[in-house]
Amino acid sequence: NAGVMQNPRHLVRRRGQEARLRCSPMKGHSHVYWYRQLPEEGLKFMVYLQKENIIDESGMPKERFSAEFPKEGPSILRIQQVVRGDSAAYFCASSPTSGTGGYDGQFFGPGTRLTVL
Amino acid sequence: GENVEQHPSTLSVQEGDSAVIKCTYSDSASNYFPWYKQELGKRPQLIIDIRSNVGEKKDQRIAVTLNKTAKHFSLHITETQPEDSAVYFCAARRGTSYGKLTFGQGTILTVHP
Repeated sequence: NAGVMQNPRHLVRRRGQEARLRCSPMKGHSHVYWYRQLPEEGLKFMVYLQKENIIDESGMPKERFSAEFPKEGPSILRIQQVVRGDSAAYFCASSPTSGTGGYDGQFFGPGTRLTVL
Repeated sequence: GENVEQHPSTLSVQEGDSAVIKCTYSDSASNYFPWYKQELGKRPQLIIDIRSNVGEKKDQRIAVTLNKTAKHFSLHITETQPEDSAVYFCAARRGTSYGKLTFGQGTILTVHP
């Protein structure tokens, strides 16, 4: 059973460009979470999605950031017009679908390290 | 919203000693408390978790205790080894089996051989 997959692992963008980060959850998982980790800091929640639905976006900045989890394909975190302050590690996590035993751990992908020049 | 405080920020121990990391949370509705280990440049890895209806849970050298009344929980690592060196994060979540995790600030654990 493959773990949570993220790509790219490293992404370099210039100020003003767009960044697209992709996340494929573990097989059997339909809940996806995005977290941001600034250098030498903890993990901050951004958004929680299920297939075709945003459940909780209370941690998302109001502008430039958006997320989706389409019926087919990976979840996408999109950052428009990136600024230097967006440089961070972006982690995706997934948790099991309801009814699969009630285990409620979240499992993290390897992260995408975004550098904005 | 939920706030999780974690202490200490750094912890240095000799190999074979025990290490204890403590967290407090603010939201009395929180009922799930995981601990993650993150090595440099790697993903956070779930090492142990506890639900609010349980006071203590053990897994080999790792144990977690929870005091709901005081709203704090702790990670205990016994017989520490150099490979235990990493950053450890506690987290809390309210409600059902799903939802966002609120993380503590992290503890850098260094185990000296």
